[in-house]
Amino acid sequence: EPEVTQTPSHQVTQMGQEVILRCVPISNHLYFYWYRQILGQKVEFLVSFYNNEISEKSEIFDDQFSVERPDGSNFTLKIRSTKLEDSAMYFCASRGHSGNTIYFGEGSWLTVV
Amino acid sequence: GIQVEQSPPDLILQEGANSTLRCNFSDSVNNLQWFHQNPWGQLINLFYIPSGTKQNGRLSATTVATERYSLLYISSSQTTDSGVYFCAPRRRGADGLTFGKGTHLIIQP
Repeated sequence: EPEVTQTPSHQVTQMGQEVILRCVPISNHLYFYWYRQILGQKVEFLVSFYNNEISEKSEIFDDQFSVERPDGSNFTLKIRSTKLEDSAMYFCASRGHSGNTIYFGEGSWLTVV
Repeated sequence: GIQVEQSPPDLILQEGANSTLRCNFSDSVNNLQWFHQNPWGQLINLFYIPSGTKQNGRLSATTVATERYSLLYISSSQTTDSGVYFCAPRRRGADGLTFGKGTHLIIQP
């Protein structure tokens, strides 16, 4: 079964550094998402992306976050200047044009020290 | 935004037992998914069920959209069923899923 793949699986970074999390959505999917989950808490929606632009974003997705689809297969989340509270699992997800099921990747665990 | 409440928050059962997990939501939805988060943190998609009833092996789910709730049934529980179960509806007009806080299920041998 096709799956969403994410890299890296785990990253440790210094506070203030820039981080880029990468995702390869399921091919022929058109809707892309990033979610995050702080340890022990619920999964929170960050942003959705369709047709090369952000279609919806949450209050969490402030100016330090950005997303990009640099080519036909990758979808990235950039955190410009990481803070301790950015430590979380970040999930990428995708959905097809005709389908409604959203499929999640295995997550990228970010630790900011 | 839409409010999502899941109950119970924690559940401890013996292997072989049955359980019902509930999800209440506060707004009209056009999508609802149930996920199982395993001990490694992976989110496994169980059901896409904005309305009606579906079954997949020992698991089944029912959503009554007009009354704004969904139920997940687990029968003959196994230790591998342990983990956190999340309900995640998508409000009409929105793009993202809103997750509940989950039900933490522990199945003891």
